[in-house]
Amino acid sequence: QKEVEQDPGPLSVPEGAIVSLNCTYSNSAFQYFMWYRQYSRKGPELLMYTYSSGNKEDGRFTAQVDKSSKYISLFIRDSQPSDSATYLCAMSAKGRRALTFGSGTRLQVQP
Amino acid sequence: KAGVTQTPRYLIKTRGQQVTLSCSPISGHRSVSWYQQTPGQGLQFLFEYFSETQRNKGNFPGRFSGRQFSNSRSEMNVSTLELGDSALYLCASSLGTWAGGTNNEQFFGPGTRLTVL
Repeated sequence: QKEVEQDPGPLSVPEGAIVSLNCTYSNSAFQYFMWYRQYSRKGPELLMYTYSSGNKEDGRFTAQVDKSSKYISLFIRDSQPSDSATYLCAMSAKGRRALTFGSGTRLQVQP
Repeated sequence: KAGVTQTPRYLIKTRGQQVTLSCSPISGHRSVSWYQQTPGQGLQFLFEYFSETQRNKGNFPGRFSGRQFSNSRSEMNVSTLELGDSALYLCASSLGTWAGGTNNEQFFGPGTRLTVL
């Protein structure tokens, strides 16, 4: 079993929809949680960074971390065609920079 | 502020050869991590360098090595290339300090796409 599980999709939604992306993990040592967006043939772009549990909002993006359930989420409001990409969750333990990634969810936003 | 730069962007090598990839982190960042991305295994951590010292290493064979220079630039080397080494190699930089539980944000470069024939 992988340490981080993420539904690969693809997830197809109409423009303007609210998108929910999720990851579950098994390693209770993880304390830093990140979401990256990766366009085809590009490097991952950091979207959200959260330390420990709680919510964080940045523009159209909201990240949630529930450490008791070992579950993290990313919500995208008012989704745009330009949001079409692969979304990767990543996490690391305290004091370590090595990131463990989910397999990525491919999102398609239809105009 | 300039982002993370990686050179070269594309490489084609044959089995048995060796290759060196280069990464320049964001100005002021002292930690550089390397990752391998393949369709089958996804993104996997190779190693991390901070202050010219390897701090962490992933589960890769000894053919994969790296180093960091005093200006924080880093190189990774793969010797005796195998077909399975074909991948996108990504470099990520971060500040490198741990004050307040933050500063672990890692910013990725565009990657070097290595094809082994």
